[in-house]
Amino acid sequence: DTGVSQDPRHKITKRGQNVTFRCDPISEHNRLYWYRQTLGQGPEFLTYFQNEAQLEKSRLLSDRFSAERPKGSFSTLEIQRTEQGDSAMYLCASSPPRGTGYTFGSGTRLTVV
Amino acid sequence: SQKIEQNSEALNIQEGKTATLTCNYTNYSPAYLQWYRQDPGRGPVFLLLIRENEKEKRKERLKVTFDTTLKQSLFHITASQPADSATYLCALPNNNAGNMLTFGGGTRLMVKP
Repeated sequence: DTGVSQDPRHKITKRGQNVTFRCDPISEHNRLYWYRQTLGQGPEFLTYFQNEAQLEKSRLLSDRFSAERPKGSFSTLEIQRTEQGDSAMYLCASSPPRGTGYTFGSGTRLTVV
Repeated sequence: SQKIEQNSEALNIQEGKTATLTCNYTNYSPAYLQWYRQDPGRGPVFLLLIRENEKEKRKERLKVTFDTTLKQSLFHITASQPADSATYLCALPNNNAGNMLTFGGGTRLMVKP
């Protein structure tokens, strides 16, 4: 297992387009998290899955954002009708059931032009 | 939810000296606190977890303290090296269920040779 993988690493899109990001967590980890980070800030929580169930969503996650984790394995984060304010690094992390720290992926950097 | 404060100004120190970073939090006292390292363009990397009943924890050149009375954690790097230059983030569980973490804004450390 090579850790948490995120794809793509970079995405440039025009305002109004839809984008989808993928995260492959560590296979033994049942917990998966999405965070968003802008320059000079710490990661902000977006949503949390335990297995395939989405248990928590931040108020930051507007109705343009949706996340799924079918079969409790990989996860996707979709942003519809992107806005310039969506430009950020989108980070995925996973952890075991009673884990210690999170293992983060390298992130997907989204630029909306 | 927690509010976490880390010094947003960069900390510049000379190689070989001890770096000390501060993390202050408000609201309830968490069951544990975590520290992460983040390099530019990468996801955070977990370093240490300290529980509320632990005053101090060490890992190689790293030492973390946790004072629940002061609502503060200190992160020390002894015998610092230029390779220690990075942003260091503290993180606490967002609620008593501890399902996800809230991160501070991070402190950038620069170790000069």
